[in-house]
Amino acid sequence: EPEVTQTPSHQVTQMGQEVILRCVPISNHLYFYWYRQILGQKVEFLVSFYNNEISEKSEIFDDQFSVERPDGSNFTLKIRSTKLEDSAMYFCASTRAGGRRELFFGEGSRLTVL
Amino acid sequence: AQSVTQPDIHITVSEGASLELRCNYSYGATPYLFWYVQSPGQGLQLLLKYFSGDTLVQGIKGFEAEFKRSQSSFNLRKPSVHWSDAAEYFCAVGPPSGTYKYIFGTGTRLKVLA
Repeated sequence: EPEVTQTPSHQVTQMGQEVILRCVPISNHLYFYWYRQILGQKVEFLVSFYNNEISEKSEIFDDQFSVERPDGSNFTLKIRSTKLEDSAMYFCASTRAGGRRELFFGEGSRLTVL
Repeated sequence: AQSVTQPDIHITVSEGASLELRCNYSYGATPYLFWYVQSPGQGLQLLLKYFSGDTLVQGIKGFEAEFKRSQSSFNLRKPSVHWSDAAEYFCAVGPPSGTYKYIFGTGTRLKVLA
């Protein structure tokens, strides 16, 4: 069964460093998302991406964050200068076009900022 | 404002007992409704989904959920819980169109006693 894959599974970084989280969505999907889950808290929407542009973003997704689909298969989330509060599990998700569709999530990338 | 409420943060049941996890939502129109399960350190796995039609939906692992429009609820049930069901369960709602941004509840952590 096709699945969303994410790398790395865990990344530890120093505050102020840049981080790139990578995702390979399911191949025929057209909508892509990043969500995050701070430890012990709920899953929060960050950004949605369609047709090579951001379609919606939350207030969390400030200028420190960016997304890109560089090559038609990968979907990346970049955090330019990490802060302690960026420590969280980041989930990538994708879905196909058309109605009655559900999001398929990856296993997540755990980011720890020291 | 759109929101999802899962009133029970923790639930403990004995193996073989029945289970009901509650989910209430506040949304402008009838949304699409989902239940996801997250095992420790794992990603989000879709248990079941409701788009329209029959208000009782069946999912994987023997779970079912019932949509009650009058109560704005989508409760998850299982007649006989197995030890492997111990996990965190998230209810989510999404719009039937647009960017398909999900809103998640805060989750219910299920503990199963042997």
